Amino acid sequence: QVQLVQSGPEMKKPGASVKISCKASGYTFVRYTLHWMRQAPGQSHEWMGWINPGDGNTKYSRKFWGRVTLTRDTSANSVYLELGSLRPEDTAVYYCARAQVPVGIGSPYFDPWGQGTLVTVSS
Amino acid sequence: SYDLTQPPSVSVSPGQTGIITCSGDKLEDKHVCWYQQKPGQSPVVVIYQNTQRPSGIPERFSGSTSGNTATLTIRGTQALDEADYYCQAWDSSIVVFGGGTKLTVL
Repeated sequence: QVQLVQSGPEMKKPGASVKISCKASGYTFVRYTLHWMRQAPGQSHEWMGWINPGDGNTKYSRKFWGRVTLTRDTSANSVYLELGSLRPEDTAVYYCARAQVPVGIGSPYFDPWGQGTLVTVSS
Repeated sequence: SYDLTQPPSVSVSPGQTGIITCSGDKLEDKHVCWYQQKPGQSPVVVIYQNTQRPSGIPERFSGSTSGNTATLTIRGTQALDEADYYCQAWDSSIVVFGGGTKLTVL
């Protein structure tokens, strides 16, 4: 079945960087864009950006410009999120999710999601 | 920036109909999705493209839109439907989520 498996929890100090992986299985990796969202404790989801595994194209939320980098490794069926200059308010669960495009006219929706990776930023 | 507004909480009795709304400017021109998220779990899509239900999602879940408001309706609500629900839409190639609604079944 389609599955996204993310790397484990991370603890970082302010100013550091974190790199999270998301490994896809059960489908043709290069055919679907993968998005990253995060959810701070008790908050809603916040979209960070997407990557097209086929050609490596990316789009980032303006909020994270200059701090976030999305990459992919097609040989490993994996995408990666790197977030730099970490601050305590970056503490959140980070999710990758596959963008599923409806048949016909429609906007993509996210299915499935990875299990989430908790990133804690604290001195 | 584009905003989607949801009520923070909705309560419903078992077997009754739960209704969760999501409002946004010109929402009728967009396609809205709804996600269910239970504590400690990842979100699961329950409605996409305003009204479409993915395979495996019970028929008691339905979606609709009218004007600037999208609505998620859960008929015959069960205890296992207790969760946080998030609406989501696209605005100029940017993904936007609502603030979420905690559905309590009591």
